[in-house]
Amino acid sequence: KNEVEQSPQNLTAQEGEFITINCSYSVGISALHWLQQHPGGGIVSLFMLSSGKKKHGRLIATINIQEKHSSLHITASHPRDSAVYICAVRWGNQFYFGTGTSLTVIP
Amino acid sequence: KAGVTQTPRYLIKTRGQQVTLSCSPISGHRSVSWYQQTPGQGLQFLFEYFSETQRNKGNFPGRFSGRQFSNSRSEMNVSTLELGDSALYLCASARTSGSPEQFFGPGTRLTVL
Repeated sequence: KNEVEQSPQNLTAQEGEFITINCSYSVGISALHWLQQHPGGGIVSLFMLSSGKKKHGRLIATINIQEKHSSLHITASHPRDSAVYICAVRWGNQFYFGTGTSLTVIP
Repeated sequence: KAGVTQTPRYLIKTRGQQVTLSCSPISGHRSVSWYQQTPGQGLQFLFEYFSETQRNKGNFPGRFSGRQFSNSRSEMNVSTLELGDSALYLCASARTSGSPEQFFGPGTRLTVL
């Protein structure tokens, strides 16, 4: 069993749609990260959460510690949002990663 | 402030060879972690170095090793390369060991033929 589960694995959306990516984890955490990886490999950290909700531009991340669940929302999606989104949790001194959600936004 | 840099960016090796990858963390960061990313397994933690000491190690064979220098730069070495070692190797730096915020480098794409 993976410590971090993401859904969906793949997602195709029309430009302008509201997108939600979900992450569930089974371990206690000190922080949860949402990462973005574009083709070519480089990873950018979008959010680091330990409670509540964070917003940056069109991106919103929420976390429910009791339910061990986090969501990443993208409002008014755009083709440049096309990327793989990865949920990662820090537990102790290690990171555990979800398998990623591959998002394609069609113009 | 410069970000995390990794060299080389691309590397092709043959089975049985060994390889050394380098990572320079953000100035002031003393923790460097290494990750392997493959299509089948996704991202997996290799090890973390802090103050020239390995702090944590993931579930990888002893062929994978690393070290950290006094300037916080880190190297990882893979000996006796196997086809399955073909992957994107990412390093990430943080201010201290256990810091939840990490900054990733662009990665080194290793292809083993």
